[in-house]
Amino acid sequence: DSGVTQTPKHLITATGQRVTLRCSPRSGDLSVYWYQQSLDQGLQFLIQYYNGEERAKGNILERFSAQQFPDLHSELNLSSLELGDSALYFCASSAARSTDTQYFGPGTRLTVL
Amino acid sequence: GENVEQHPSTLSVQEGDSAVIKCTYSDSASNYFPWYKQELGKRPQLIIDIRSNVGEKKDQRIAVTLNKTAKHFSLHITETQPEDSAVYFCAASSSGGGADGLTFGKGTHLIIQP
Repeated sequence: DSGVTQTPKHLITATGQRVTLRCSPRSGDLSVYWYQQSLDQGLQFLIQYYNGEERAKGNILERFSAQQFPDLHSELNLSSLELGDSALYFCASSAARSTDTQYFGPGTRLTVL
Repeated sequence: GENVEQHPSTLSVQEGDSAVIKCTYSDSASNYFPWYKQELGKRPQLIIDIRSNVGEKKDQRIAVTLNKTAKHFSLHITETQPEDSAVYFCAASSSGGGADGLTFGKGTHLIIQP
């Protein structure tokens, strides 16, 4: 157990819908990262938050957004869902920087039908 | 941005033999190189990492080497066991300026033959 929690474990929805994925970092970690894992794209960095503020953006679509709350948990919002958004979404946390060890949560498997 | 290439995509070795997975990166500013192991449907788990001020690091049967001049790093697993079967990912990151997450290789499916 990494100490990073994610909910829900599985999510099945339809095209065009909007979903929210939730992540709680390890106790004491200030940075939260979101990654998407799919068969064709592999593991891709989406976005990083540090202590409530957006720190860096990766390959995140405009239909996706995230935020980190004062209690440091984070939410990833995916809207206007397409079939190609079906993937495993991982949250990771680290003490502060991206070069600090990142611990991954168990992931949320999103299926868009 | 950073680009990480990983080889081979599949590696089959006999139990007890050694396995080597190689990665190259493009951004000379990268200075942190972790390796993750992922079993099917589960989260990536860190197995070892190395920073650019170190050329080699070892943890029991696992070792990582880094060649900053050539921009490549490798994972070495000795005395492989059935539980080593998994997908292994290398990654790179830089602490310069703003952080930008980890850039991952495509993964190596390691199969340990009994």
